[in-house]
Amino acid sequence: EPEVTQTPSHQVTQMGQEVILRCVPISNHLYFYWYRQILGQKVEFLVSFYNNEISEKSEIFDDQFSVERPDGSNFTLKIRSTKLEDSAMYFCASSALGDQPQHFGDGTRLSIL
Amino acid sequence: RKEVEQDPGPFNVPEGATVAFNCTYSNSASQSFFWYRQDCRKEPKLLMSVYSSGNEDGRFTAQLNRASQYISLLIRDSKLSDSATYLCVVYQAGTALIFGKGTTLSVSS
Repeated sequence: EPEVTQTPSHQVTQMGQEVILRCVPISNHLYFYWYRQILGQKVEFLVSFYNNEISEKSEIFDDQFSVERPDGSNFTLKIRSTKLEDSAMYFCASSALGDQPQHFGDGTRLSIL
Repeated sequence: RKEVEQDPGPFNVPEGATVAFNCTYSNSASQSFFWYRQDCRKEPKLLMSVYSSGNEDGRFTAQLNRASQYISLLIRDSKLSDSATYLCVVYQAGTALIFGKGTTLSVSS
């Protein structure tokens, strides 16, 4: 069964540094998403991406964040000037259509020191 | 303003029990509805979509009441492997998926 893959599984970074989280969505999916989950809290939507541009973003997704699809397979989330409160699980997801079920990767655990 | 509300539990039940989870959502324009399950420190995994007519998948039955903005999940004949957090999830056009905080189920032998 096709799946969403994410790398790395765990990223440890000093506060103030930049991180790039990588995702390979399911190959025939058109919609891509990033979510985050702070430990003990609910999953929160960050951004959706369709047709090579951001289609929606939440209040969390401010200028510190950016997304990119650098080639035909990868989908990346960049976090600049990381803060302690950016520590969380970051999940990538993809779906065939916007209102169809989304399939999640197994996440990147980001730890900011 | 809580968009998707769930009873956090935990629900502690013996194997073989029937357990029901409820969920309410605040935005009447919500379009699609799902139940996901999440194991500890793992990714959410789709359990089933929820349709107005109600739908069943083996031991799992989901119901949607649009008038009451209410979603339910019934698990029959609980197994140890059903122990997880069950996430009520709503899709709203323009905001992707909105997750509830989840209901924790613990099934014991």
